[in-house]
Amino acid sequence: AQTVTQSQPEMSVQEAETVTLSCTYDTSESDYYLFWYKQPPSRQMILVIRQEAYKQQNATENRFSVNFQKAAKSFSLKISDSQLGDAAMYFCAYTIEYGNKLVFGAGTILRVKS
Amino acid sequence: ETGVTQTPRHLVMGMTNKKSLKCEQHLGHNAMYWYKQSAKKPLELMFVYNFKEQTENNSVPSRFSPECPNSSHLFLHLHTLQPEDSALYLCAVGRPKETQYFGPGTRLLVL
Repeated sequence: AQTVTQSQPEMSVQEAETVTLSCTYDTSESDYYLFWYKQPPSRQMILVIRQEAYKQQNATENRFSVNFQKAAKSFSLKISDSQLGDAAMYFCAYTIEYGNKLVFGAGTILRVKS
Repeated sequence: ETGVTQTPRHLVMGMTNKKSLKCEQHLGHNAMYWYKQSAKKPLELMFVYNFKEQTENNSVPSRFSPECPNSSHLFLHLHTLQPEDSALYLCAVGRPKETQYFGPGTRLLVL
């Protein structure tokens, strides 16, 4: 079974500092995709970053970057220079090449302190 | 914001009521989804529609009945719900391996 595990229910970070959110997954597939989605309070869930498993290079999007360790089945999200607007629930998600659905982790609440 | 709207945003219903949730998209995607988001649980996929045809029913109780009359609209019809069905119901569109676009959700409370 394909599962996604986020071991940190909550994290806190000081504004302008860096935080890393953890995610591990279990799959026997070789071609798959990994995602981090952000759900701000009372706002729509949006995609933060996407990683294709066949690419060794870690994806980056401005202040957001991932550490993708395929052998370890680990996919962590690093947020640099944290801002108040980064406060949200963050979900790690996975799908396979021809999958018709995303499998989500339980989420990590990120709090940003000013 | 993202081209996916949901109505109503909040809904309170009794266990004997019948209500419907509506999702509308303006993004032109052929794949549409219903998810259930309960507190402290991962998002649960409920239904998948591709080109207006239901392609997945994730063992959802029959008291939830989806409908996709056209490529822009997705409904979730609710009847005789239970208190444990209280949750945030999210609509999403788009292919999973690319980007899924989510609506703001309908927060449902079943009394």
